[in-house]
Amino acid sequence: AQSVTQPDARVTVSEGASLQLRCKYSYSGTPYLFWYVQYPRQGLQLLLKYYSGDPVVQGVNGFEAEFSKSNSSFHLRKASVHWSDSAVYFCVVTGGNNKLTFGQGTVLSVIP
Amino acid sequence: EAAVTQSPRNKVTVTGGNVTLSCRQTNSHNYMYWYRQDTGHGLRLIHYSYGAGNLQIGDVPDGYKATRTTQEDFFLLLELASPSQTSLYFCASSDKISNERLFFGHGTKLSVL
Repeated sequence: AQSVTQPDARVTVSEGASLQLRCKYSYSGTPYLFWYVQYPRQGLQLLLKYYSGDPVVQGVNGFEAEFSKSNSSFHLRKASVHWSDSAVYFCVVTGGNNKLTFGQGTVLSVIP
Repeated sequence: EAAVTQSPRNKVTVTGGNVTLSCRQTNSHNYMYWYRQDTGHGLRLIHYSYGAGNLQIGDVPDGYKATRTTQEDFFLLLELASPSQTSLYFCASSDKISNERLFFGHGTKLSVL
């Protein structure tokens, strides 16, 4: 069975500060990993995805994530956050079996 | 960009009531999904479909039925609604078997009193 853990339910950072949102996954095979973002009163949107190759993947709006097989992690990072980044972020894993497993989500609040 | 439209946006019903949530997608995606979102649980898959007439059971199917009438339309049915089904429901679609990218609707907020 596959699973995802986002250990931080809420993260608060100041505008302009750097950000890391943590994600740990469990999957016995080769995982496909995603980060989705949910802005208030909207559906989820894809930020970035990892299938293979370079463990650091770039996404939209300056976000990037780093895959670590040894740590079973896929942490999301941004060098300098903006107030508009305030949202809920979901880490997602799939093994290509048409079923995605979502983490519990991390609520990001950016203080101006 | 593909669009996924859900209706209604908000719904209130009573325990034992009958509710149908609707989802329509453009772009002729093969795969459609129904998720529920609850605090502390993220999104959980209820049912999904590979195409018209096809239905697959997700991770939390109890109390829900679904029907895919056309390539575009996917419905979620709650025939005897219970308060535990109070939640935010999302429909999504994708065009590849590897779930490369899901396109989500804006969600339906359901309250069962």
